[in-house]
Amino acid sequence: DVKVTQSSRYLVKRTGEKVFLECVQDMDHENMFWYRQDPGLGLRLIYFSYDVKMKEKGDIPEGYSVSREKKERFSLILESASTNQTSMYLCASSVTGYNSPLHFGNGTRLTVT
Amino acid sequence: AQSVTQLGSHVSVSEGALVLLRCNYSSSVPPYLFWYVQYPNQGLQLLLKYTTGATLVKGINGFEAEFKKSETSFHLTKPSAHMSDAAEYFCAVSGDNAGNMLTFGGGTRLMVKP
Repeated sequence: DVKVTQSSRYLVKRTGEKVFLECVQDMDHENMFWYRQDPGLGLRLIYFSYDVKMKEKGDIPEGYSVSREKKERFSLILESASTNQTSMYLCASSVTGYNSPLHFGNGTRLTVT
Repeated sequence: AQSVTQLGSHVSVSEGALVLLRCNYSSSVPPYLFWYVQYPNQGLQLLLKYTTGATLVKGINGFEAEFKKSETSFHLTKPSAHMSDAAEYFCAVSGDNAGNMLTFGGGTRLMVKP
């Protein structure tokens, strides 16, 4: 079974802090994704990566950056956290292909105060 | 650009009743369609997917969905709801953009009454 592990389940940070969200997958998947989940808005793609050191912007990249130094690890970085970044963050991975399902982690609920 | 609309952010049914969750999509190319389920405090897991071929797709836990191209719909159904079906359900589409990126609907929270 594919396992996608997000390092923190809950996180509370202060406005202006630099925040790192970590995600690791154990199935050698090429693609990794970061989504943000907000009530009524579904999941919105922040960034994705299709290979080591490669990244592409999703629908809402502003205020975020990412890092993928190893195939199994994909980090989401909030350079200067703001209260409007309080949300649930979901990491996912997949093999390449339009019909390849995503495998999700359990999410990190981030609160910025 | 592709998009997904889920009608009804909350749906409530009685245990044993039919479950119908609606999903309409837009895509300029033949789509790949997915339903995911999210149980409380968990990530999303795949319920079923449509790629090509048979338009009625069966998934896990007794759910199924039918792809209707003429209606651009992919509604999710289950004949008899169980308490354990209470969760949030997301419809998603891919195929109309670069890479393997899914576009998700806003989600429908299913509540099951005893």
